[in-house]
Amino acid sequence: EIVLTQSPGTLSLSPGESATLSCRASQSVPSSFLAWYQQKPGQAPRLLIYGASSRLTATPDRFSGSGSGTDFTLTISRLEPEDFAVYYCQQYGGSPRTFGRGTKVEIK
Amino acid sequence: QVQLVQSGAEVKKPGSSVKVSCKASGGTFGSYSISWVRQAPGPGLELLGGIIPMFGKANYPQKFQGRVTITADESTSTVYMELSSLRSEDTAVYYCARGHDSLDPWGQGTLVTVSS
Repeated sequence: EIVLTQSPGTLSLSPGESATLSCRASQSVPSSFLAWYQQKPGQAPRLLIYGASSRLTATPDRFSGSGSGTDFTLTISRLEPEDFAVYYCQQYGGSPRTFGRGTKVEIK
Repeated sequence: QVQLVQSGAEVKKPGSSVKVSCKASGGTFGSYSISWVRQAPGPGLELLGGIIPMFGKANYPQKFQGRVTITADESTSTVYMELSSLRSEDTAVYYCARGHDSLDPWGQGTLVTVSS
């Protein structure tokens, strides 16, 4: 199975700063079938990005995804207070679908 | 707009089974996949399997084959996930979500606690 390693584990930033989250796969993810989710305490994960770089209509444009093969990045420009949460990547190019362990973006 | 509402929290004994429901509203039930994912502190997020109700056949990752059963009732727009031979490591929040690939939206989650 494809193992996803997210880094860093925790990112301490201030509102208005930019965040760069990494997701590295143990083998190439076919067709960039990679998604990013946001999870806030007590809530279910929420899909932000699919296909490595495609935003959902409801996803603010300060969120952007990039990458291919084994290296993917989620960038959040100009952090808003509601962006402090845990972010997970997930691959769906291989079976079984697998998730990373998450990156927590916390207020510095 | 699809919404998924799950059944309430459960407390189970080791060795028993649990069955969690996920009722869908909006959209055309049966035509889209429903997947089940659990979240526990150790392993994080894990896919348990999924089903396309109109086809009725579920698929499971090897890790959960034989222990998870996913079924669907089109008459009530409800998908069920049953996990058997429960052990303490199965204590987790269980989510249903629409989709087989990227998952959106998710249900609110059901806490299953396995304790003697």
